[in-house]
Amino acid sequence: DGGITQSPKYLFRKEGQNVTLSCEQNLNHDAMYWYRQDPGQGLRLIYYSQIVNDFQKGDIAEGYSVSREKKESFPLTVTSAQKNPTAFYLCASSRGPETQYFGPGTRLLVL
Amino acid sequence: KNQVEQSPQSLIILEGKNCTLQCNYTVSPFSNLRWYKQDTGRGPVSLTIMTFSENTKSNGRYTATLDADTKQSSLHITASQLSDSASYICVVSPPLGTYKYIFGTGTRLKVLA
Repeated sequence: DGGITQSPKYLFRKEGQNVTLSCEQNLNHDAMYWYRQDPGQGLRLIYYSQIVNDFQKGDIAEGYSVSREKKESFPLTVTSAQKNPTAFYLCASSRGPETQYFGPGTRLLVL
Repeated sequence: KNQVEQSPQSLIILEGKNCTLQCNYTVSPFSNLRWYKQDTGRGPVSLTIMTFSENTKSNGRYTATLDADTKQSSLHITASQLSDSASYICVVSPPLGTYKYIFGTGTRLKVLA
């Protein structure tokens, strides 16, 4: 898990509710990423950020939003527009477009 | 289209046996290829990393190989242990100028006593 922390470990969302997943890193990495992992599927990129105050959409950004106000933090908000949010969410960081280090993950469940 | 395919999808072996996992990719060019181990409910942890010019890299009982001509990589696990039960993911670093890593779907390994 390196120097990346994610919280909470489990998160429950009610219908119509927005929820925010936390990701913090102390590796002094410039780039940070959010992935979604569903059973039997590879990791899919939601958003990534190369530097502070800048981020780009990944392959499945619809229904999600992010911010990058600090180098250490890259929170992910799952909005009510995401109709199928149940999944395992992984945050990662890298010094550049090379080695990625992953956090322990957050499992999101819908009530 | 840049893709990474892994085989087999799942594998069951007895403790102490060896096994080899396969990874075929179409990404070109790339700077490195990684193998990750992911325990259930945890984040992936890096096992090995190879640049496109390297042929082999070892990390204890894990040995990865890379054949850039055939665009194939393999991960060999020697003398398997119960703790090796996990998913193993092959990841190719993004094409130059992008930050989009290419992930395989993984091989789920179960080691039985």
